[in-house]
Amino acid sequence: RKEVEQDPGPFNVPEGATVAFNCTYSNSASQSFFWYRQDCRKEPKLLMSVYSSGNEDGRFTAQLNRASQYISLLIRDSKLSDSATYLCVVSERGGADGLTFGKGTHLIIQP
Amino acid sequence: SAVISQKPSRDICQRGTSLTIQCQVDSQVTMMFWYRQQPGQSLTLIATANQGSEATYESGFVIDKFPISRPNLTFSTLTVSNMSPEDSSIYLCSVDLHRGGSYGYTFGSGTRLTVV
Repeated sequence: RKEVEQDPGPFNVPEGATVAFNCTYSNSASQSFFWYRQDCRKEPKLLMSVYSSGNEDGRFTAQLNRASQYISLLIRDSKLSDSATYLCVVSERGGADGLTFGKGTHLIIQP
Repeated sequence: SAVISQKPSRDICQRGTSLTIQCQVDSQVTMMFWYRQQPGQSLTLIATANQGSEATYESGFVIDKFPISRPNLTFSTLTVSNMSPEDSSIYLCSVDLHRGGSYGYTFGSGTRLTVV
């Protein structure tokens, strides 16, 4: 069974702080990895893909450890607008079989 | 960039009835996916819809309950049949707009279904 595990939180973090989320996946055949963001009552939106070499997009850094089947997301200098649920997502075969979602980590940035 | 239009955005339905959800993409895509997000839960894949062939259903989902149409490369429908309150969920369609899947998938805005 394919599973993606995340700490559901909530993470209550002061504005400007750095926060890190982790995720583990059970299917060693997974090929593609993503972090999605979902705001309340909205559809998920792609935040960033995750590559083996690690990747950074502004304040966001994602890391992948294939040996440990572990994915992380780091948010630096957090903003109030970062408050959302962050979904860890994996897929096989480049996504041809659809996506497997974690249950999400709820982040609340406090002023 | 390409857009996915999904409708209805929400509906309240009587148990025993059926609802058909539509998803329109403004570019041609090979595969379209239908997901369900139950209250407080993450997304679960219902089925994959390919144009010109029958949909492929995930474990726990069957065609009689969730018939899918895919008449062309830009459109798909999902029907929730003989509804019960347990079917109350958000239903989302999704496509790979960048081809190959490695750039993630884009979602429609979802259909919030309440069965009473």
